[in-house]
Amino acid sequence: AQTVTQSQPEMSVQEAETVTLSCTYDTSESDYYLFWYKQPPSRQMILVIRQEAYKQQNATENRFSVNFQKAAKSFSLKISDSQLGDAAMYFCAYRSFDAGGTSYGKLTFGQGTILTVHP
Amino acid sequence: GAVVSQHPSWVICKSGTSVKIECRSLDFQATTMFWYRQFPKQSLMLMATSNEGSKATYEQGVEKDKFLINHASLTLSTLTVTSAHPEDSSFYICSAPSRGGTSTGELFFGEGSRLTVL
Repeated sequence: AQTVTQSQPEMSVQEAETVTLSCTYDTSESDYYLFWYKQPPSRQMILVIRQEAYKQQNATENRFSVNFQKAAKSFSLKISDSQLGDAAMYFCAYRSFDAGGTSYGKLTFGQGTILTVHP
Repeated sequence: GAVVSQHPSWVICKSGTSVKIECRSLDFQATTMFWYRQFPKQSLMLMATSNEGSKATYEQGVEKDKFLINHASLTLSTLTVTSAHPEDSSFYICSAPSRGGTSTGELFFGEGSRLTVL
């Protein structure tokens, strides 16, 4: 079974600064997806960024980028030019790629990191 | 993007009663939906996988008779919490992959339903 670990229960950053959220995972699969989801106080889950494991290039979405280290099974999220609206709980998540596997489609989440943005 | 809608968003019920939560895919068909449970400031824990036209698959430790799941159509899955007790109070979230979503791996989430059992 896959596991996802977020070792930072809480992080804080000053507005306009950069912050990095850590995530490690454990799997025996070679193909999979990794995601970062954001959950603001409304509790609606919002996709921030996705990474396909077969892609070596790190995914980037505007101010959000990841550092994907497949061999180290690490998937950190960097938020640049932090904004007050970035304050939320962030979840790292893993999803199997294998359509024939029993775990297909399920997301396995990390424990979450609460991000506070100070003005 | 694809939209998943949950209803109700907030429900309060008395202990011993049953509560039904609906999860609808509004602009796509979902043969599979996932039900998660989340306690305050904690992660999402998968409860069960809902399969259209067949029985749901429950995660270990989840009581099948307590949390009844029905996936009667390609756009609707329901979770019924039977004989609810205060310890069932939680935030329940459904999610679904769109048919086109299998190529991106993304799942789409409902708004969630907050259940409070008195």
